[in-house]
Amino acid sequence: KAGVTQTPRYLIKTRGQQVTLSCSPISGHRSVSWYQQTPGQGLQFLFEYFSETQRNKGNFPGRFSGRQFSNSRSEMNVSTLELGDSALYLCASSLGDGGNSPLHFGNGTRLTVT
Amino acid sequence: QKEVEQNSGPLSVPEGAIASLNCTYSDRGSQSFFWYRQYSGKSPELIMFIYSNGDKEDGRFTAQLNKASQYVSLLIRDSQPSDSATYLCAVGQGGKLIFGQGTELSVKP
Repeated sequence: KAGVTQTPRYLIKTRGQQVTLSCSPISGHRSVSWYQQTPGQGLQFLFEYFSETQRNKGNFPGRFSGRQFSNSRSEMNVSTLELGDSALYLCASSLGDGGNSPLHFGNGTRLTVT
Repeated sequence: QKEVEQNSGPLSVPEGAIASLNCTYSDRGSQSFFWYRQYSGKSPELIMFIYSNGDKEDGRFTAQLNKASQYVSLLIRDSQPSDSATYLCAVGQGGKLIFGQGTELSVKP
């Protein structure tokens, strides 16, 4: 069974631009969660989607948004990029609730904002 | 107080020894607990999950949970150099996982 697939693997953007990251979950997994990982803050929860609905949201500004499609694939968007948005963005899928079911992470998208 | 706390390490153990990684959490209502391994430059990989008090074994790994003490640990028996990585403890809370900062483990040949 294929794992979680994230594209692209690397991105370099300029301050003020916007970016869209893509995630394909493990087949059969309907929950998709997004996390941001930085050296200083560690892994922080962004949001979780289940059946095309945002079920939970972390403490990030409105510049961070996401959506989920009917095939469970998910995208996250960051608008008006800031230098502090440079991070590894991880998508994870699970069979059930993203807080009680094991999460399976993709390889991540490393975003660099210059 | 951080919600999930781990010793940052590094924890250094000789090859073949038992590595003991510890984690405490603040939300007494937490019901699900996970251990992930993350190699440098890679994404987190699920090792174990535990929901009930006591021990859960999987190969060389044992997860231990004590909800009364709000404590979860991971034991790695017969540690190998390939176990050298950062180990992340995560606690389920309100539909998301809260991660600790991770403990860096170094297994010396």
